[in-house]
Amino acid sequence: KQEVTQIPAALSVPEGENLVLNCSFTDSAIYNLQWFRQDPGKGLTSLLLIQSSQREQTSGRLNASLDKSSGRSTLYIAASQPGDSATYLCAVLVGGTASKLTFGTGTRLQVTL
Amino acid sequence: DTGVSQDPRHKITKRGQNVTFRCDPISEHNRLYWYRQTLGQGPEFLTYFQNEAQLEKSRLLSDRFSAERPKGSFSTLEIQRTEQGDSAMYLCASSSSRGSKNIQYFGAGTRLSVL
Repeated sequence: KQEVTQIPAALSVPEGENLVLNCSFTDSAIYNLQWFRQDPGKGLTSLLLIQSSQREQTSGRLNASLDKSSGRSTLYIAASQPGDSATYLCAVLVGGTASKLTFGTGTRLQVTL
Repeated sequence: DTGVSQDPRHKITKRGQNVTFRCDPISEHNRLYWYRQTLGQGPEFLTYFQNEAQLEKSRLLSDRFSAERPKGSFSTLEIQRTEQGDSAMYLCASSSSRGSKNIQYFGAGTRLSVL
């Protein structure tokens, strides 16, 4: 059974710092990995998707890497801003294109002024 | 493209009542997913449709839960005889079988509170 773990569970940083969020998964036979953002009481916004054949994806100040063999992914946020405060979830897709996502429990990020 | 729409956004009900939620996927998407998220946890898969066919159901989906997608467009999730443990955010997502990425787009969710 695929299990996804995210560390740390919560993180508080001052504005302007660079930070790294970690995600690990137990079954390396994934199809892709997605990072999502969730604001309190809201749905999920997809940030980045990395296919299993890729090693990283970048969007603006965000960079996600994937090391499938070791079962790890990182989300790097450069020059953090208060508007980045949210919960960040990683999820893996296993078993082909039609399968379900398995999520981690998330990292709650607070960026302070 | 108006995104995935869920209705209602919030539902408060008494234990033992039945509730029904609706999800309207992105119009060209043929795949539709339901997930449940409890406080402090990541979403957990409940069920999945391709067109009108329900192809997979989680063991989390007890006999009190039923989902339908009668015409391959919108979907409904019904919970009968609600229990306090059903209190959660119910999220719907949709995707397209075209292409290789299977990006799932999520709605804002329906928050259920069972008193």
